[in-house]
Amino acid sequence: DAGVIQSPRHEVTEMGQEVTLRCKPISGHNSLFWYRQTMMRGLELLIYFNNNVPIDDSGMPEDRFSAKMPNASFSTLKIQPSEPRDSAVYFCASSLGDSGGKLFFGSGTQLSVL
Amino acid sequence: DAKTTQPPSMDCAEGRAANLPCNHSTISGNEYVYWYRQIHSQGPQYIIHGLKNNETNEMASLIITEDRKSSTLILPHATLRDTAVYYCTATRRGSQGNLIFGKGTKLSVKP
Repeated sequence: DAGVIQSPRHEVTEMGQEVTLRCKPISGHNSLFWYRQTMMRGLELLIYFNNNVPIDDSGMPEDRFSAKMPNASFSTLKIQPSEPRDSAVYFCASSLGDSGGKLFFGSGTQLSVL
Repeated sequence: DAKTTQPPSMDCAEGRAANLPCNHSTISGNEYVYWYRQIHSQGPQYIIHGLKNNETNEMASLIITEDRKSSTLILPHATLRDTAVYYCTATRRGSQGNLIFGKGTKLSVKP
């Protein structure tokens, strides 16, 4: 199994630009999660989907952030416009919906907003 | 979900057992304890989980106290590759997996 695949691995952009992070969950998994990790705040849950439907987006910091899951094999997290404080590592994870807390994480996207 | 508390850091000698504690005194009866670890610059990795019985797998053992207010993750023979941040978290049975992670314990395995 290829695991959860995230792209790009690294993204450097300038303040004000749009950033799109991509995630391909493990085939057959029906829950997908976006986390953000910084030194100050640790791992934060931003949003999660179940069967492609957003269930809880209360962790999304601002309206500048949006996430979509158009089908079971693809999700995006978009930041528009980006700001320096958005610099972080963004992780995507997937799980079988009835497996409780057993998540499989991708390798993350390191985002730097200059 | 229950709040968990872990020591910020621990050291362990290579080849010895690493015992990582976690306090979850507010855990409810239907919440499982989950352990993950994160090796530098990688995504978190699932290790083990349990409800009230002790559990063992190829990676580690999990000991949960009878009152379920605390647990210990045991790495029986720590290696340098076990150096990582270890997270303890809890979520209820039937949860869709929206885990909340604390700061974890930074385990340093030393030669």
